[in-house]
Amino acid sequence: NAGVTQTPKFQVLKTGQSMTLQCAQDMNHNSMYWYRQDPGMGLRLIYYSASEGTTDKGEVPNGYNVSRLNKREFSLRLESAAPSQTSVYFCASSDVLETQYFGPGTRLLVL
Amino acid sequence: AQSVTQPDIHITVSEGASLELRCNYSYGATPYLFWYVQSPGQGLQLLLKYFSGDTLVQGIKGFEAEFKRSQSSFNLRKPSVHWSDAAEYFCAVGYRDDKIIFGKGTRLHILP
Repeated sequence: NAGVTQTPKFQVLKTGQSMTLQCAQDMNHNSMYWYRQDPGMGLRLIYYSASEGTTDKGEVPNGYNVSRLNKREFSLRLESAAPSQTSVYFCASSDVLETQYFGPGTRLLVL
Repeated sequence: AQSVTQPDIHITVSEGASLELRCNYSYGATPYLFWYVQSPGQGLQLLLKYFSGDTLVQGIKGFEAEFKRSQSSFNLRKPSVHWSDAAEYFCAVGYRDDKIIFGKGTRLHILP
């Protein structure tokens, strides 16, 4: 079992560029989440998906879109990257309100 | 509004001393409660969780936490810390709509 995988591990973007962060889990979990982690801010929920075909906004959804492609995959898209989106992004999955399993993170730098 | 508060940004304790990390939440009903630990450059690992039942919960690595409804708190404790416990600790709260919210974290420093 790979658990939760994220690609890429690192990315540098210029302001205005777009990119998609990929996340996949092989634990047959229903729920998937995207968080961003910034110093002193903890983890802030961007979007989550309680089941295949549904997505909901979290605390900080502005500037992001998500797709729950199937039960395994949950992608996060930045349509027009801004320096304020420089962060570490974590994907997580869980059964409903059970333990979350986190991916290794994606470090994104927007210049 | 739903929120999770960890009042202490940094805590320093001596190796072998006891530890208590504070967590308070706001929610109308009893939430699902979690404590996670993150070592530098790593993802998050679950220490323990509370859903219902006994309000004193045992976790991994010798940690425990106590749910106190009257205080809306879920504090994490360890009787004797080890140098390897130095990390950042996050309290998290799960709600009925499957949303999980994290506190800002408490960074634990251990003095030799």
